[in-house]
Amino acid sequence: SQQGEEDPQALSIQEGENATMNCSYKTSINNLQWYRQNSGRGLVHLILIRSNEREKHSGRLRVTLDTSKKSSSLLITASRAADTASYFCATDSTNAGKSTFGDGTTLTVKP
Amino acid sequence: EAQVTQNPRYLITVTGKKLTVTCSQNMNHEYMSWYRQDPGLGLRQIYYSMNVEVTDKGDVPEGYKVSRKEKRNFPLILESPSPNQTSLYFCASSFHTPYGYTFGSGTRLTVV
Repeated sequence: SQQGEEDPQALSIQEGENATMNCSYKTSINNLQWYRQNSGRGLVHLILIRSNEREKHSGRLRVTLDTSKKSSSLLITASRAADTASYFCATDSTNAGKSTFGDGTTLTVKP
Repeated sequence: EAQVTQNPRYLITVTGKKLTVTCSQNMNHEYMSWYRQDPGLGLRQIYYSMNVEVTDKGDVPEGYKVSRKEKRNFPLILESPSPNQTSLYFCASSFHTPYGYTFGSGTRLTVV
């Protein structure tokens, strides 16, 4: 089964609103990453948070990590129509090299 | 331009006919990996390589082979493709773990 599971599976919001996606995982990790994928295209790396970090920011993105709950959240503030995409979390396990992706959250931002 | 290049982008083949999907990166990355993406199953790791001549199985290695003879290339080989290997395949690389991965544009494979 997938290590990472995103919640919700789909999210639809209006432009300007904030979007929050959650990711849960099962085993110990070295780091957690978030990616964006526009329909059928390659994934684009957004942000990486290490297991000893609790929060990280990059532009309109804010990621939190709670290792005690084995969960992470991605917040996109002031969303734009161009943010419409699927978002995936990926965990790099303590077994170096193995990475596991979740099933993704599909975000639709309506203009 | 720094990139991961996969070829071909689209491929339709018949059951049992050996094929190779190529992956090349121009960033001198040590780490490379192959994934397959299927609806409702997210991305699943097939094989990965931490460096030249070092490869390891991911979560779904059955039916696939890889090799890493040079740093820049990491081909995915399907010796005897079957219809259940119909999928969207992605190659990715990074300097080494833990760094963000750079993904190729994908190869859509159909096995009939």
